Amino acid sequence: SQKIEQNSEALNIQEGKTATLTCNYTNYSPAYLQWYRQDPGRGPVFLLLIRENEKEKRKERLKVTFDTTLKQSLFHITASQPADSATYLCALEDAGNNRKLIWGLGTSLAVNP
Amino acid sequence: GAGVSQSPRYKVAKRGQDVALRCDPISGHVSLFWYQQALGQGPEFLTYFQNEAQLDKSGLPSDRFFAERPEGSVSTLKIQRTQQEDSAVYLCASSLAGVGYNEQFFGPGTRLTVL
Repeated sequence: SQKIEQNSEALNIQEGKTATLTCNYTNYSPAYLQWYRQDPGRGPVFLLLIRENEKEKRKERLKVTFDTTLKQSLFHITASQPADSATYLCALEDAGNNRKLIWGLGTSLAVNP
Repeated sequence: GAGVSQSPRYKVAKRGQDVALRCDPISGHVSLFWYQQALGQGPEFLTYFQNEAQLDKSGLPSDRFFAERPEGSVSTLKIQRTQQEDSAVYLCASSLAGVGYNEQFFGPGTRLTVL
């Protein structure tokens, strides 16, 4: 069956450390993958998109990797800050289903001061 | 406005009532999506419009759910004869072009509670 999985446990880290979030998928062949941030009571906010032919993408303190062999994307926040505390969602394009976005459950990140 | 807006932000309905949820996308955005998000879950696709055309409604859970975007801008999601399992946050998103390599801009959502 098709699945997209993110870290099921909430992630707690100290301010200044690097947070690493995982997104694994099975039985999809996405052309790209997106990462979003969601705060309580708000809609998701787009962060980064990485295409299947890109190994790595960076934006300020954020870095995303995409390994189509492992069927995995890693999302890193370096020099984390308490303001980075949120839920992070990965979404992949389902090429076999009208190319709609399929979403993971999200990983809750708490950065402690 | 600069972003996607949704109204109402909160809706409480008695079981069996009909509800209508409104989405105002970013001006000029061709694509509009509706999602349902349960607590602790990711968004689940409901339906997709490109301009006024509803190109995909495969995610609508039953024929009680109906969406429209008659003039290619504002969209309404209607749920008839609401049931308790319809309780969720309903998110609307728009994007500049069609499905594909485009970020989606989300509204704040409408939290629907069915008693």
